[in-house]
Amino acid sequence: ELKVEQNPLFLSMQEGKNYTIYCNYSTTSDRLYWYRQDPGKSLESLFVLLSNGAVKQEGRLMASLDTKARLSTLHITAAVHDLSATYFCAVAPRVTSGSRLTFGEGTQLTVNP
Amino acid sequence: GAVVSQHPSRVICKSGTSVKIECRSLDFQATTMFWYRQFPKQSLMLMATSNEGSKATYEQGVEKDKFLINHASLTLSTLTVTSAHPEDSSFYICSASGLAGSLTDTQYFGPGTRLTVL
Repeated sequence: ELKVEQNPLFLSMQEGKNYTIYCNYSTTSDRLYWYRQDPGKSLESLFVLLSNGAVKQEGRLMASLDTKARLSTLHITAAVHDLSATYFCAVAPRVTSGSRLTFGEGTQLTVNP
Repeated sequence: GAVVSQHPSRVICKSGTSVKIECRSLDFQATTMFWYRQFPKQSLMLMATSNEGSKATYEQGVEKDKFLINHASLTLSTLTVTSAHPEDSSFYICSASGLAGSLTDTQYFGPGTRLTVL
């Protein structure tokens, strides 16, 4: 059974600071996704990482993937209040069945002024 | 492109009634649709996977007779919560995957349906 663990689950940080959210998964994976969820809303797709060493950046967020370590990171640079949300990683296993995703527990990020 | 809609966005019903939630892919054909539920402050839990024209595959612990899923066309899947009870109150999110954009099998998520059972 594929397991996905995020760390930390709760993160409170000040504006302007940097931090990293970690996503570990237990078995070989084809694809790793990062999503953002605002309270009461559905998921917003942030990144999809398809290969070892993949790095993607959008604004203050940068995601990377190390398939050998089964680890993905979401790095936040110079955080701003608008980044406050819950961030989920999700993994699709190598042997897919209709691209079934397994989600991490989510990291609730609060950026304080 | 790759827009998924859900209807209704919010529903309040009495205990014992049935509620139908629709999930539509608006600009692509969804070969597979997924239904998730999410309790407050928790992650998404996959309930079932449905492929157009065939029976849904339910995850362990999900009652197929209570959560009826129909995927009658490549753009529409429905989830019916039968004889709803307060413990069924949750946020239900669908997603769809197909040949949208440049990535086959990428899931596109609907906006969610908030179900409250009184």
